[in-house]
Amino acid sequence: GAGVSQSPRYKVAKRGQDVALRCDPISGHVSLFWYQQALGQGPEFLTYFQNEAQLDKSGLPSDRFFAERPEGSVSTLKIQRTQQEDSAVYLCASSKDSQPQHFGDGTRLSIL
Amino acid sequence: GDSVTQMEGPVTLSEEAFLTINCTYTATGYPSLFWYVQYPGEGLQLLLKATKADDKGSNKGFEATYRKETTSFHLEKGSVQVSDSAVYFCALSRTGGSNYKLTFGKGTLLTVNP
Repeated sequence: GAGVSQSPRYKVAKRGQDVALRCDPISGHVSLFWYQQALGQGPEFLTYFQNEAQLDKSGLPSDRFFAERPEGSVSTLKIQRTQQEDSAVYLCASSKDSQPQHFGDGTRLSIL
Repeated sequence: GDSVTQMEGPVTLSEEAFLTINCTYTATGYPSLFWYVQYPGEGLQLLLKATKADDKGSNKGFEATYRKETTSFHLEKGSVQVSDSAVYFCALSRTGGSNYKLTFGKGTLLTVNP
């Protein structure tokens, strides 16, 4: 597609449920990033993929967070046993070569 | 670790006023610097960037100069429009931004009134 596509745009879940957020990067973009943006804050790095390899997951806040990109294109961010503090906008970005990152519109996650 | 500090908002201006949003950073080495803009309900869009000291990034009338001596990258525009109303984020990365994470400031909400 023309840009980074994220789905769903909005997700409401009850505390304790598992959620899965999808990111479809720009075709041909090798690098893929996930960020978490709390209300009124700047995005914070979660994890980074180069093709299918997860090279940096230092920003994942707990072992309840898991990300994968098995074929080097679409990526899924999974959050297990969700907590209220997981409520945020989750942003995906992709890039290639030395170009800056392109962001999707994000998934707004609300945990009740 | 790396960090970015930008002036807190909100900033409210009248149309055609001059805009400055201050941004300073802390990082080892020579990071690349960016300004991203987020319009309501949309994702982040790259506004401009600079990759080395004294570089000036510019786009849509906005400018920012990479000042190594003051570790700053202030955003300026000579005459703002209502359509510039958005949240502006200053950010840095260790490389050109392709394969290294971005570190963002908290964002500055700009409202431009007609």
